[in-house]
Amino acid sequence: AQSVSQHNHHVILSEAASLELGCNYSYGGTVNLFWYVQYPGQHLQLLLKYFSGDPLVKGIKGFEAEFIKSKFSFNLRKPSVQWSDTAEYFCALYGNNRLAFGKGNQVVVIP
Amino acid sequence: DAMVIQNPRYQVTQFGKPVTLSCSQTLNHNVMYWYQQKSSQAPKLLFHYYDKDFNNEADTPDNFQSRRPNTSFCFLDIRSPGLGDAAMYLCATSRPSGADTQYFGPGTRLTVL
Repeated sequence: AQSVSQHNHHVILSEAASLELGCNYSYGGTVNLFWYVQYPGQHLQLLLKYFSGDPLVKGIKGFEAEFIKSKFSFNLRKPSVQWSDTAEYFCALYGNNRLAFGKGNQVVVIP
Repeated sequence: DAMVIQNPRYQVTQFGKPVTLSCSQTLNHNVMYWYQQKSSQAPKLLFHYYDKDFNNEADTPDNFQSRRPNTSFCFLDIRSPGLGDAAMYLCATSRPSGADTQYFGPGTRLTVL
């Protein structure tokens, strides 16, 4: 069975700081990886995804993620965060006909 | 806008009293999912429908059932809610490839008294 690990569940940072959220996975098959975001009071929505090709994936709102196969990682980055990036971020892996989520990172950006 | 709608947004029920949560979609997607998310935990897949084909996760309790009368609607029935079933319940849809993006509803927060 596949699994996804996210560390540092709570992250607090100031505007303009850089953000990196770690995601590690365990799965023996072809990986399809996702980052979803949930803004306060809103539904989960897709931030970006990786299926194949260029391991550096760009998503919405200036986010990007890099798939490193040798490290079983798919870390999310943003060079300069804004207050509006305050949200919960979930890494997910599709395999065995199901989407497995990590526990999420609660990110708070202080103005 | 095409979307996934869940009703109600908040549901309070009593211990042991059956409850039904509703999900509808205007995306015309083949696949519909139900997830359970408890506080500070990852969303956990309960089951999904591929068209009318029902796929139950092995560890989903028998207390949880689902119905999909047509493409647009899907229901989650909890036959005898326990205190441990209090959670956020998320509905999602996707195109036939499960590896495609899933579109989520806003969720229903279930409280069991």
